[in-house]
Amino acid sequence: SQTIHQWPATLVQPVGSPLSLECTVEGTSNPNLYWYRQAAGRGLQLLFYSVGIGQISSEVPQNLSASRPQDRQFILSSKKLLLSDSGFYLCAWNGQGTGLYEQYFGPGTRLTVT
Amino acid sequence: GQSLEQPSEVTAVEGAIVQINCTYQTSGFYGLSWYQQHDGGAPTFLSYNALDGLEETGRFSSFLSRSDSYGYLLLQELQMKDSASYFCAVRDLGDSNYQLIWGAGTKLIIKP
Repeated sequence: SQTIHQWPATLVQPVGSPLSLECTVEGTSNPNLYWYRQAAGRGLQLLFYSVGIGQISSEVPQNLSASRPQDRQFILSSKKLLLSDSGFYLCAWNGQGTGLYEQYFGPGTRLTVT
Repeated sequence: GQSLEQPSEVTAVEGAIVQINCTYQTSGFYGLSWYQQHDGGAPTFLSYNALDGLEETGRFSSFLSRSDSYGYLLLQELQMKDSASYFCAVRDLGDSNYQLIWGAGTKLIIKP
């Protein structure tokens, strides 16, 4: 069966510090991978998605970046965090041929920028 | 623009039936999905409608009317564990073939 891992679960970082969040998927190959951000009490905002190694599409201009160095690894980074970067970060995946409507989410990282 | 609208909050009694509505406005449409998210947790997939009509999965059903750009999630025999936020999402083959457009979510409060 497929499993998606995200770490860390919670993170408190000062403004201006760097960020690296990692997501890995097990039990599948060549998945579509997504990074979302969710503000408290709000819906999901798609940040990045990837359909293959080294292929990253950005949906929202911001000070974040994403990379996919391996087939089942997706990394979200920032060189300098802003207060507005606080939120719940979710990684998700779906299979290439599964209709794209069903996404499977990792447990999320709750980021607080102070 | 693309948007999905759903009520911010719905309250119901344990054992009752509740309906959560979703209206959408998108440039393309390839199906309406529903997700459940408990406080502090990640969203989990509930159902998907690509064609008009009702899809039933246990206590949960989802309905779609493409002509009205409208769908709903119906929860029957409500249990306290159903207290969560529910999101509708549309697969829109607009600029991106891989994007789901998400509603802001409906918080379902269940009273005993």
